[in-house]
Amino acid sequence: LAKTTQPISMDSYEGQEVNITCSHNNIATNDYITWYQQFPSQGPRFIIQGYKTKVTNEVASLFIPADRKSSTLSLPRVSLSDTAVYYCLVVPNRDDKIIFGKGTRLHILP
Amino acid sequence: NAGVTQTPKFQVLKTGQSMTLQCAQDMNHEYMSWYRQDPGMGLRLIHYSVGAGITDQGEVPNGYNVSRSTTEDFPLRLLSAAPSQTSVYFCASSYDRGHGYTFGSGTRLTVV
Repeated sequence: LAKTTQPISMDSYEGQEVNITCSHNNIATNDYITWYQQFPSQGPRFIIQGYKTKVTNEVASLFIPADRKSSTLSLPRVSLSDTAVYYCLVVPNRDDKIIFGKGTRLHILP
Repeated sequence: NAGVTQTPKFQVLKTGQSMTLQCAQDMNHEYMSWYRQDPGMGLRLIHYSVGAGITDQGEVPNGYNVSRSTTEDFPLRLLSAAPSQTSVYFCASSYDRGHGYTFGSGTRLTVV
């Protein structure tokens, strides 16, 4: 199983673009990269998933370089409500465990 | 379409008691998992299932049993509760590996 490493915490300001980078050096060929958001006292919420290059949806973009050893979650123009913990996961494309790491605590300041 | 439903939302147990945490989903998802989250920590995988009749151990399976007799339900049984099992328990399901998990709202368990 690929292990992920991401910053423990980050601060940013309202209106800024926030980029959270995750490293996953031993990712396997067919593994997916997935990001979740978790607010206090709630279960995690799926944000975005990708395999390579760039994926964009209504809330975020996910950038994955060609070697796939890292990925960057980009949140455009954050607001106070984006304060949460963000988890980067490597999802094996086979019937295997899906392991959460420690996540990144993102704190948005006014 | 209720999503992932966990019951109960809160529970207090005495050391040594057993109980079952219920998890049901109505999305016809094959993949289901149980995670626990201790205060200020990330989620740890307890058990998971890739379909009815198939279960496997996660990172922290000791003290817990699961079964998956139907696609919809994935109950988690605590055999003999211990204070170390005080935690928030989340159940999650997904259609397959190419889709993200939908999480339930959690069961907050306290063992005294």
